[in-house]
Amino acid sequence: DVKVTQSSRYLVKRTGEKVFLECVQDMDHENMFWYRQDPGLGLRLIYFSYDVKMKEKGDIPEGYSVSREKKERFSLILESASTNQTSMYLCASSAGGADGYGYTFGSGTRLTVV
Amino acid sequence: KQEVTQIPAALSVPEGENLVLNCSFTDSAIYNLQWFRQDPGKGLTSLLLIQSSQREQTSGRLNASLDKSSGRSTLYIAASQPGDSATYLCAAGGNAGKSTFGDGTTLTVKP
Repeated sequence: DVKVTQSSRYLVKRTGEKVFLECVQDMDHENMFWYRQDPGLGLRLIYFSYDVKMKEKGDIPEGYSVSREKKERFSLILESASTNQTSMYLCASSAGGADGYGYTFGSGTRLTVV
Repeated sequence: KQEVTQIPAALSVPEGENLVLNCSFTDSAIYNLQWFRQDPGKGLTSLLLIQSSQREQTSGRLNASLDKSSGRSTLYIAASQPGDSATYLCAAGGNAGKSTFGDGTTLTVKP
């Protein structure tokens, strides 16, 4: 069964900490995405990557960075965590091009910054 | 820029009822239309994917249709059950494998 795995289901971090959220996919997908989801705001794209070492900003990149050193792994980095970054973070992957296979999501990481 | 709308935002039905969830999109040049289910505090689970060359897909009690020319997709749930209670999101797939998501319809099925 194909999978997108997020390393943590729940995280509690302190304000100012550097936080790493890890995502691994086993489908050899070119594209990987990081979203955050907040009540009433829907899914908002933070960053995406369409190839190793390639990244593009999404709609809300401020306060975040990403790393994709290997095709299967896409990391989201909160450089200095703040309370307004408390949220559900969702990682997804998709194949490149027009093959029409859609997204596969991980189970999410609920991050609380205190 | 693609925009995806799901109306209504919330829906409550009695158990056993057949129901339709709606999804509309502004740009008909899509590669696929995908329906997801999300339970509280969980990730999104893919239910059905309709490729741009298809008109519908079926899985069990679920049937999704796609009309690209009118910019609409529907998810039909037959004989609803309390276990179907969840938020349902649709996503229009664009080029380079990037999709645009609706805000979802939260379904409650009452016993």
